[in-house]
Amino acid sequence: QSALTQPASVSGSPGQSITISCTGTSSDVGSYNVVSWYQQHPGKAPKLMIYEVSKRPSGVSNRFSGSKSGNTASLTISGLQAEDEADYYCCSYAGSSTHWVFGGGTRLTVL
Amino acid sequence: EVQLVESGGGLVQPGGSLRLSCAASGFTFSSYWMSWVRQAPGKGLEWVANIKQDGSEKYYVDSMKGRFTISRDNAKNSLYLQMNSLRAEDTAVYYCARHPGGSWFDPWGQGTLVTVSS
Repeated sequence: QSALTQPASVSGSPGQSITISCTGTSSDVGSYNVVSWYQQHPGKAPKLMIYEVSKRPSGVSNRFSGSKSGNTASLTISGLQAEDEADYYCCSYAGSSTHWVFGGGTRLTVL
Repeated sequence: EVQLVESGGGLVQPGGSLRLSCAASGFTFSSYWMSWVRQAPGKGLEWVANIKQDGSEKYYVDSMKGRFTISRDNAKNSLYLQMNSLRAEDTAVYYCARHPGGSWFDPWGQGTLVTVSS
């Protein structure tokens, strides 16, 4: 069982927007603004999409955005495209004992 | 171009040892925290360990403390993971990742597969 809870799957049609939630606790997501999100296509390495809750690395489309409220972080993808179909993982710092925790991953299907 | 290339994976028997390497290029290796993250077949990501720029601080996930050792050689731009007393549940693709400010993971290497089986 992963430390952070994500929905197993989400889906949307091209052009639509979807949001993936990442629920933690007051010991991780709720306490630190170091939530990051990763995209992973089958057989490929993960790719950073969002860091420090809402910052977007250079080269990542502005269709990707992140936010946080309380113990839950969210990744929103607007204007869905076929190439967005992938697994998405959230990650958060969880203090000096546990350090880093990931969510179980969400499979995004573009219909 | 920033690049991380892992090597050293393979098939090992339960109780055996393996040393993974990660060769870094395209950035000042000695200026960054580095990490290992693993992914069991068909499963999610699991952080394994990280190491400070000068190697003075190292942290591990509890389940691997005492069995795994992370290290680095800044002169060789290389990161290592020594894995001992391997178990079937350690079977995974192991990724090395740059860990800017110890805050996120970017980029990731292509991964190296470790299979623990008799």
